[in-house]
Amino acid sequence: SQQGEEDPQALSIQEGENATMNCSYKTSINNLQWYRQNSGRGLVHLILIRSNEREKHSGRLRVTLDTSKKSSSLLITASRAADTASYFCATVPLWGSARQLTFGSGTQLTVLP
Amino acid sequence: DAGITQSPRHKVTETGTPVTLRCHQTENHRYMYWYRQDPGHGLRLIHYSYGVKDTDKGEVSDGYSVSRSKTEDFLLTLESATSSQTSVYFCATSTSDREDGYTFGSGTRLTVV
Repeated sequence: SQQGEEDPQALSIQEGENATMNCSYKTSINNLQWYRQNSGRGLVHLILIRSNEREKHSGRLRVTLDTSKKSSSLLITASRAADTASYFCATVPLWGSARQLTFGSGTQLTVLP
Repeated sequence: DAGITQSPRHKVTETGTPVTLRCHQTENHRYMYWYRQDPGHGLRLIHYSYGVKDTDKGEVSDGYSVSRSKTEDFLLTLESATSSQTSVYFCATSTSDREDGYTFGSGTRLTVV
């Protein structure tokens, strides 16, 4: 089952532009995580935001969390061609554990040079 | 992907044969996971381990078994491979049961013919 659903499924932008991806989920969470996957590679953990946090930054990444709407967004500023990848959100249920980490189906981001 | 090695990287096997995939970590992480990734299904948990000789089933465990005799090694066995088990398999590790992101291996692409 997929807890998180990313939107859009695919996004194409020019280098230098900002990219925004959204994630919606269904049940209360302990935390929400974002991962990046380059073609043919494993997932790379980008950022974890806890349910009591509203915003978090890491370099060019900005993640927001709205627990009332059960949604999160990932903003990549000043995108680069190297940011081309699939991006997944994943959630840990409020009373669950990491073994219940559930991934969405991902957003495919293409950054054009 | 540093610290997690999956072997083999690619394998083609015949229906009905047993197959073992290996995950080796140098991270000294307590928790280890096996996922499969399929188009349209995202990542789904097969089995996980919360310590040496401590394992439990995930969402799609039928037809799979695991073993963890050492902290650093987590083996996934397909007891009798079927075409539906054609997939990309990822191993992941974490230090915490819920408060930490995962570190992923580069994956094993398995084709069952």
